[in-house]
Amino acid sequence: SYVLTQPPSLSVAPGMTATLTCGRDNIESKSVLWYQQKPGRAPVLVVFDDSVRPSGIPERISGSNSGNTATLTISRVDAGDEADYYCQVWDNRGDHPVFGSGTKVTVL
Amino acid sequence: QVQLQESGPGLVKPSETLSLTCLVSGDSITHSYWSWLRQSPGQGLEWIGYVSYSGRSNYNPSLKTRVFISVDTSKTKFSLNVTSVTTTDTAVYFCARSRLRVTGFDSWGQGTVVMVSS
Repeated sequence: SYVLTQPPSLSVAPGMTATLTCGRDNIESKSVLWYQQKPGRAPVLVVFDDSVRPSGIPERISGSNSGNTATLTISRVDAGDEADYYCQVWDNRGDHPVFGSGTKVTVL
Repeated sequence: QVQLQESGPGLVKPSETLSLTCLVSGDSITHSYWSWLRQSPGQGLEWIGYVSYSGRSNYNPSLKTRVFISVDTSKTKFSLNVTSVTTTDTAVYFCARSRLRVTGFDSWGQGTVVMVSS
């Protein structure tokens, strides 16, 4: 079955760039989505189809997907970016979504 | 703009059935796929299953023997039943919309806490 590997935590200083990864063999063959979840809130879709931002998501959030790693990049990080971030792909064979275990981003 | 709102009991006894409803406004339930997901305390997201207006459905293999999701098109809502609950079913339950696989879960309810306890 699918396993998406995300580092459990990432710390970044304000104004710097956060680079979050989501790993799986040949993940580039899949369309990857990313969700941001702040404490006590529902997740929010921030990237779909590897690199497309939904309306209202700032340009400093971007996604890419190559080889065995999909990446979510958050530029000019501020306190409002502190959250858990989950990657997700669709398992076509089983017809169901698969989520990574999430990365907790802490802004120092 | 679509809005989703979960409702249901916050406390369920072990071995009983957990029943939740998601009311959909601002979008026709005849479009899209409608899912339930959950998040156990301190844990990540777990997809439970989806249903479409046409009745197509699928469930998480780890839950499929205990889960049923139905859609009520006349009242723009869909529902979740989980039978024979145990304490491991304690979680925040979310309903969500997805229009296409590639566009993901683009709208979510705020979530409802369900505790399984005697």
